[in-house]
Amino acid sequence: EAQVTQNPRYLITVTGKKLTVTCSQNMNHEYMSWYRQDPGLGLRQIYYSMNVEVTDKGDVPEGYKVSRKEKRNFPLILESPSPNQTSLYFCASSQDVLGEQYFGPGTRLTVT
Amino acid sequence: AQKVTQAQTEISVVEKEDVTLDCVYETRDTTYYLFWYKQPPSGELVFLIRRNSFDEQNEISGRYSWNFQKSTSSFNFTITASQVVDSAVYFCARLTGANNLFFGTGTRLTVIP
Repeated sequence: EAQVTQNPRYLITVTGKKLTVTCSQNMNHEYMSWYRQDPGLGLRQIYYSMNVEVTDKGDVPEGYKVSRKEKRNFPLILESPSPNQTSLYFCASSQDVLGEQYFGPGTRLTVT
Repeated sequence: AQKVTQAQTEISVVEKEDVTLDCVYETRDTTYYLFWYKQPPSGELVFLIRRNSFDEQNEISGRYSWNFQKSTSSFNFTITASQVVDSAVYFCARLTGANNLFFGTGTRLTVIP
């Protein structure tokens, strides 16, 4: 089954404790993105990747890092999480830059 | 600013009623792509439709239809004979550069049985 998976689905952590949210897709897609969803704001892109080792900032990249060492994986790293990074995070992938984006199930992160 | 505006924050309808969700976009581009996504209570994002700026034909898929009008910069979504399973948050989005879906703030639709 074609899908985007994310882990963990739920995470509660404390300020400053580094964490990684994993994302994997099995569709051999070139493009992958991370979004965060906050009430009243819709979804906003954090980072995206056009291919292995090619990443760039989206609209809200501060406080986040990403890497793309393999085509299928695109982890999101929070080096020093803060409470304002409490949010619902979605990973997405697409075959091309104009195509439909397939979203993962979401990761709900709470930073206390 | 190149915005996507969904002015209706919440809508409630009784089952079997028709409902239209509005989406107004801003863009300086001549070529652009618009999308609708559905987010049911379970939280996942479900792709509904993609439309490019060169294709102004209205689209129908079962009970769903979309009205794209460049003259008014609108891309409205109509559900005919609504059902309880249609209850969800619906997002309109525009594709900006760099694979970035710029989302509106969403419209929460509640269908009352």
